[in-house]
Amino acid sequence: KAGVTQTPRYLIKTRGQQVTLSCSPISGHRSVSWYQQTPGQGLQFLFEYFSETQRNKGNFPGRFSGRQFSNSRSEMNVSTLELGDSALYLCASSPIGGGYNEQFFGPGTRLTVL
Amino acid sequence: KQEVTQIPAALSVPEGENLVLNCSFTDSAIYNLQWFRQDPGKGLTSLLLIQSSQREQTSGRLNASLDKSSGRSTLYIAASQPGDSATYLCAVRRDNTDKLIFGTGTRLQVFP
Repeated sequence: KAGVTQTPRYLIKTRGQQVTLSCSPISGHRSVSWYQQTPGQGLQFLFEYFSETQRNKGNFPGRFSGRQFSNSRSEMNVSTLELGDSALYLCASSPIGGGYNEQFFGPGTRLTVL
Repeated sequence: KQEVTQIPAALSVPEGENLVLNCSFTDSAIYNLQWFRQDPGKGLTSLLLIQSSQREQTSGRLNASLDKSSGRSTLYIAASQPGDSATYLCAVRRDNTDKLIFGTGTRLQVFP
């Protein structure tokens, strides 16, 4: 079974631009979560989608948004990029959503904002 | 507010040693706890998942224990190898629909 895939793997943008990251969960998984990882803040939760609905949201500004499609693939969008948005963005999927099942992470998208 | 701490922050040991990594959480009302490893610049690999009703889980040379009442979990690595070099993260979840709250990580280096 293929793992969680994320595209692109690396991205360089300039301040003020917007970016869209994509995540394809493991086949059969319906929950997709997004996390931001930085050296200073560690891993922080952005949001979770389950059956195309946002179920949980972390403490990030409205510039960060996401969506999930009917095939469970998810995208996250960051508008008006700031230097502080430079980070590794990780997506994770789990079978039916929630804590009983393990979360499986993708390789991440490394975003650099210049 | 749940806070998760991992001690030590970094560890360097010779090959063959048995290791214990520690994870502490402030709110004992957790649903489960998951241990991950992360290689530099890469994603997270799930190692072990312990439900709140369980005391320990084992996978190969890895053993994770959970003491909910004291807010602690340990990851035991037997006969460490250079390939075990990575950052190890623990994460807890409050309920079955909640987000993972991650610890600060332990950076492990095993030298030959």
